[in-house]
Amino acid sequence: DVKVTQSSRYLVKRTGEKVFLECVQDMDHENMFWYRQDPGLGLRLIYFSYDVKMKEKGDIPEGYSVSREKKERFSLILESASTNQTSMYLCASTFLDSNYGYTFGSGTRLTVV
Amino acid sequence: ILNVEQSPQSLHVQEGDSTNFTCSFPSSNFYALHWYRWETAKSPEALFVMTLNGDEKKKGRISATLNTKEGYSYLYIKGSQPEDSATYLCAFMNSGGYQKVTFGIGTKLQVIP
Repeated sequence: DVKVTQSSRYLVKRTGEKVFLECVQDMDHENMFWYRQDPGLGLRLIYFSYDVKMKEKGDIPEGYSVSREKKERFSLILESASTNQTSMYLCASTFLDSNYGYTFGSGTRLTVV
Repeated sequence: ILNVEQSPQSLHVQEGDSTNFTCSFPSSNFYALHWYRWETAKSPEALFVMTLNGDEKKKGRISATLNTKEGYSYLYIKGSQPEDSATYLCAFMNSGGYQKVTFGIGTKLQVIP
């Protein structure tokens, strides 16, 4: 069974902390994505990566950075967490030229207090 | 940011009823249209990836149609069951590359037994 695994289901962090959200996929996918989901808004793209060490900004990259040192792992970093980053974070992956859609992780619900 | 709209935002149907919802998207630079089902406490799951104008896809009681010239797709559920209760997301991919999609906010379906 193919998988995208996010390291934590729930996280509570303090304002100003540096936060790491980890995502690992076992499908040899080239593309990996980080989205956030907020009530009344669609999934919004934060960053994506189409290859190791490559990254591209999505629609809402401010306050975030990413790291992709290995093909299977894509990390989202909140440099200094703020309360407006309280959200559900979803990681997804897909092949470079795919007609199969995204495979999603189960999400990390982050609360910044 | 591309505009992907879904309607209605939510609906309740009785078990056994058939229903449908709409996704509208930009009609230019079309590459693909995805549909996902997102059940509570689970990961979004890909239902269909549609790439050609006039495409019709079917999986069990769920089917989808695509009109790229006018920029809309319909998702149909025949004989709704309680297990169909979920949020249904559509996502538009333009021809900009990297398999990057823009999601609508979803249609939340509740099937009443």
